[in-house]
Amino acid sequence: ETGVTQSPTHLIKTRGQQVTLRCSSQSGHNTVSWYQQALGQGPQFIFQYYREEENGRGNFPPRFSGLQFPNYSSELNVNALELDDSALYLCASSLAQGNTGELFFGEGSRLTVL
Amino acid sequence: GENVEQHPSTLSVQEGDSAVIKCTYSDSASNYFPWYKQELGKGPQLIIDIRSNVGEKKDQRIAVTLNKTAKHFSLHITETQPEDSAVYFCAADSGGSYIPTFGRGTSLIVHP
Repeated sequence: ETGVTQSPTHLIKTRGQQVTLRCSSQSGHNTVSWYQQALGQGPQFIFQYYREEENGRGNFPPRFSGLQFPNYSSELNVNALELDDSALYLCASSLAQGNTGELFFGEGSRLTVL
Repeated sequence: GENVEQHPSTLSVQEGDSAVIKCTYSDSASNYFPWYKQELGKGPQLIIDIRSNVGEKKDQRIAVTLNKTAKHFSLHITETQPEDSAVYFCAADSGGSYIPTFGRGTSLIVHP
């Protein structure tokens, strides 16, 4: 069974640029959630995708957008990067929408915005 | 939305001591309360969870208690070991959303 994998692991961007982060969910999981974790903070919910549809969104501006593909992998896109977007971006997969249960996290993508 | 407060932010203990981390939540409709452990350079990993119809749950050296009336829950680790050193996060789902809101984390340091 393959776990959640994220790419890239680290990247550096400058203000105003755009970034795409990728996530492959754990085998058999159809729900993907994205979290932003600033240094020394807990993960903050960005949004969740279930069967290619957005299913819940946290308090993040529209320049944070996402996609889920038929194989349940997912992308997080951030436009017009700001310095405060520097953080660890975590992807988590789970078994089913509407079924509160364990989130399986990847190791994250560390984004630095200069 | 849900608001989860977690204390303390840092906890330092000697090997073999017990450690207790406390959390409060705001949404009385919350019914799922997981605890995650995050080691350096890794993503969080679930270590134990509890649902609102249960007051206490144990798994070897780890236990979680829930007081729904007071809206607080706690993680108890007994006989701590150096490998327990990590950041621990509590979380609570907002009733109906099934999406957990995380606390700010507790950095647990176990000294050999």
